[in-house]
Amino acid sequence: DGGITQSPKYLFRKEGQNVTLSCEQNLNHDAMYWYRQDPGQGLRLIYYSQIVNDFQKGDIAEGYSVSREKKESFPLTVTSAQKNPTAFYLCASRWDSNYGYTFGSGTRLTVV
Amino acid sequence: AQKVTQAQTEISVVEKEDVTLDCVYETRDTTYYLFWYKQPPSGELVFLIRRNSFDEQNEISGRYSWNFQKSTSSFNFTITASQVVDSAVYFCALSEAGTGANSKLTFGKGITLSVRP
Repeated sequence: DGGITQSPKYLFRKEGQNVTLSCEQNLNHDAMYWYRQDPGQGLRLIYYSQIVNDFQKGDIAEGYSVSREKKESFPLTVTSAQKNPTAFYLCASRWDSNYGYTFGSGTRLTVV
Repeated sequence: AQKVTQAQTEISVVEKEDVTLDCVYETRDTTYYLFWYKQPPSGELVFLIRRNSFDEQNEISGRYSWNFQKSTSSFNFTITASQVVDSAVYFCALSEAGTGANSKLTFGKGITLSVRP
């Protein structure tokens, strides 16, 4: 079955450590997105990528980094510069000519 | 800039009541897409509907119905005869047509619906 796989589902890290969240899709979609969800805040865009080797900052990119070396993969690194990294992170993809978005099941990151 | 407002934050109803979730949007584009997603406690986003800006027909799917009115920039969602399984957070979202920054989904803050037995 085609879809987006985010791993792990739960992640715990100590403050000051960088952590990378995985997002893999086998839908052959061009565009991929990372969203952050906090209680009562809705989903906010962190980074997005339209094609391989290209990505753009979203609304809350500070403290995060991404790469897009392969069409299927769009990993997100939460760096120690992110002031409040504890949140639920969702990855999404979109076929360029189709305005339908597919979401992964999310990774819940807790930094202690 | 595009914006989605879901003024209701929490709604609580008793099973079998009808409930309407409001969504108001802002965009300068003439071509755009509106979405509703359901997020159950497990966290994944469940797609409910997508509407493009040229199609103002209301849509009904079982107990769900959607009322799109461009004149008031609203895209409201009604659940008829609510059930406990409808308890979730519901998001309204907007995407402008095109690529690049326009292709992102802008979400409202979500409405937490609780349906009591």
